[in-house]
Amino acid sequence: GAGVSQTPSNKVTEKGKYVELRCDPISGHTALYWYRQSLGQGPEFLIYFQGTGAADDSGLPNDRFFAVRPEGSVSTLKIQRTERGDSAVYLCASSLIVTKGDEQFFGPGTRLTVL
Amino acid sequence: DAKTTQPNSMESNEEEPVHLPCNHSTISGTDYIHWYRQLPSQGPEYVIHGLTSNVNNRMASLAIAEDRKSSTLILHRATLRDAAVYYCILRDAYSGAGSYQLTFGKGTKLSVIP
Repeated sequence: GAGVSQTPSNKVTEKGKYVELRCDPISGHTALYWYRQSLGQGPEFLIYFQGTGAADDSGLPNDRFFAVRPEGSVSTLKIQRTERGDSAVYLCASSLIVTKGDEQFFGPGTRLTVL
Repeated sequence: DAKTTQPNSMESNEEEPVHLPCNHSTISGTDYIHWYRQLPSQGPEYVIHGLTSNVNNRMASLAIAEDRKSSTLILHRATLRDAAVYYCILRDAYSGAGSYQLTFGKGTKLSVIP
């Protein structure tokens, strides 16, 4: 079956611009996670959703970052006034239910480059 | 969350077994040990997890020390497709909100030599 998909695969933008990154989770998965990965580092948690609500957004670095999941399926990560330090691979993952032992299925990521 | 320590890199010859170590000396009684791996230019993928007993699945085996302060991921026969970064992650099954996410370290970069 279809895995987690993310669009676009690559995004190049200029400093100060607004970007949206999209995640399509596996159908039926109620939990959705966003992570960010800088070069040479492991992924860092940003936010996770249980259904439509953001259950934990403690990883969002500042108020320029926002994410939504209005119908409990597709999610969009929004970054305002982008900065060069936002350049990274943004990963989305989903899991069937939110438990501490659930397997998370990751998408291929969106590589964001801020010039 | 308890911390894990892994070597930065390891090498293996193709078709030989690989033992990837992970130290977690501050592990709590309710921490599960999870392993994920990340192939080049891909998102991480689940490999295996366990609590106390050794575990086997189609991808790998997980050997957990009796005191649970360390564990070893075993790939029985390394292939070129196993070249990846391997992450050892602890997940507390009973802590409160905020622990659902995976906390990645830098992992071990495994190179497989043909």
